[in-house]
Amino acid sequence: DGGITQSPKYLFRKEGQNVTLSCEQNLNHDAMYWYRQDPGQGLRLIYYSQIVNDFQKGDIAEGYSVSREKKESFPLTVTSAQKNPTAFYLCASSKALGVNTEAFFGQGTRLTVV
Amino acid sequence: AQSVAQPEDQVNVAEGNPLTVKCTYSVSGNPYLFWYVQYPNRGLQFLLKYITGDNLVKGSYGFEAEFNKSQTSFHLKKPSALVSDSALYFCAVRTGASTARQLTFGSGTQLTVLP
Repeated sequence: DGGITQSPKYLFRKEGQNVTLSCEQNLNHDAMYWYRQDPGQGLRLIYYSQIVNDFQKGDIAEGYSVSREKKESFPLTVTSAQKNPTAFYLCASSKALGVNTEAFFGQGTRLTVV
Repeated sequence: AQSVAQPEDQVNVAEGNPLTVKCTYSVSGNPYLFWYVQYPNRGLQFLLKYITGDNLVKGSYGFEAEFNKSQTSFHLKKPSALVSDSALYFCAVRTGASTARQLTFGSGTQLTVLP
């Protein structure tokens, strides 16, 4: 069953901690993305990657880091530098960073700072 | 910079009636437009896209959208709404410019279909 798997579904973080959100895809897609969703603000792009070992900052990259060591995996680390990390995080992938390719999304991870 | 506007935060419609969810965009160059749907605590599901050609695009679950270049709009429509269509809908745009190929999303429209 092909798709994108995000884990965990719910994550709680203490102040000052780094946490890593997992995203794995078995669609053989080259491009992967991380979005943050806040109520009433839609989706904002954090980072994206077109190929292995390459990634670019999106609109709100501060306080986040990523890696792309394998085609299938694009983990997101929320660092202690991110001052307001409580949000719903969505990972997506597409065949390429082409204009006519739609993105496929995972089920999301809800991160809460406690 | 590319942008998308969804002017209505909330749309209510009675079951069986036609529905419209509005979207306008701003880009430099040709737009490539997408609609997604999101159910509570879930990821986004792709509904349809406009790349080129016929201005009326048909997608999943009986939805369609009309591209209007002069009005820079891409409204989502369905002839007869179902209660199960109640969800959050997002419009998105990208262009051919190499620096802007990532999707830009609107803020979303909550659709409620009343039985």
